[in-house]
Amino acid sequence: NAGVTQTPKFQVLKTGQSMTLQCAQDMNHNSMYWYRQDPGMGLRLIYYSASEGTTDKGEVPNGYNVSRLNKREFSLRLESAAPSQTSVYFCASSDASHRGYTFGSGTRLTVV
Amino acid sequence: GNSVTQMEGPVTLSEEAFLTINCTYTATGYPSLFWYVQYPGEGLQLLLKATKADDKGSNKGFEATYRKETTSFHLEKGSVQVSDSAVYFCALSQAGGTSYGKLTFGQGTILTVHP
Repeated sequence: NAGVTQTPKFQVLKTGQSMTLQCAQDMNHNSMYWYRQDPGMGLRLIYYSASEGTTDKGEVPNGYNVSRLNKREFSLRLESAAPSQTSVYFCASSDASHRGYTFGSGTRLTVV
Repeated sequence: GNSVTQMEGPVTLSEEAFLTINCTYTATGYPSLFWYVQYPGEGLQLLLKATKADDKGSNKGFEATYRKETTSFHLEKGSVQVSDSAVYFCALSQAGGTSYGKLTFGQGTILTVHP
């Protein structure tokens, strides 16, 4: 099935640990995004990649890094996890018109 | 910068009631407008969209009209069902400038429909 695949679905980290969230899309989309969802705040953009080889900061980039490995894959890394990074993380991709977005099913991350 | 404001929730309705969820936006130019729905434990799904003024997006009995004069994109459904219980997000995207391609979301409105 075409779409956006995120792994893992759930993760518990201790403060200070690192991890990478993986995202892959098979729709040949140029643009990919990482959002975090927190109660009462909607989704906020962490980083995005307009095309293969480019990445840019979004609204809340502090504490995160990203890699656009190729056109299909866009990973999000937490180098030293903090409790404030407890959230649900969504990856998304969009076509060239930016009028059609597809979201992954999310990663629920808890930092203790 | 761009922003989206949704009505405060949660919204609780009885089955077959009329639903309105208000959404207003701030943006320059002509953004595209979206409603996304998130069912419990799932990711976001596109519900409907409109890409220019006076366009009406519709899907699954839901509809919303792009009103540039009032900068609004209110979501409506004539008769809700229990299966419509979910979180609804209004969002916009804008081509050009530093906002190119990025979605700006409202805070989400929780809808609960009782039998």
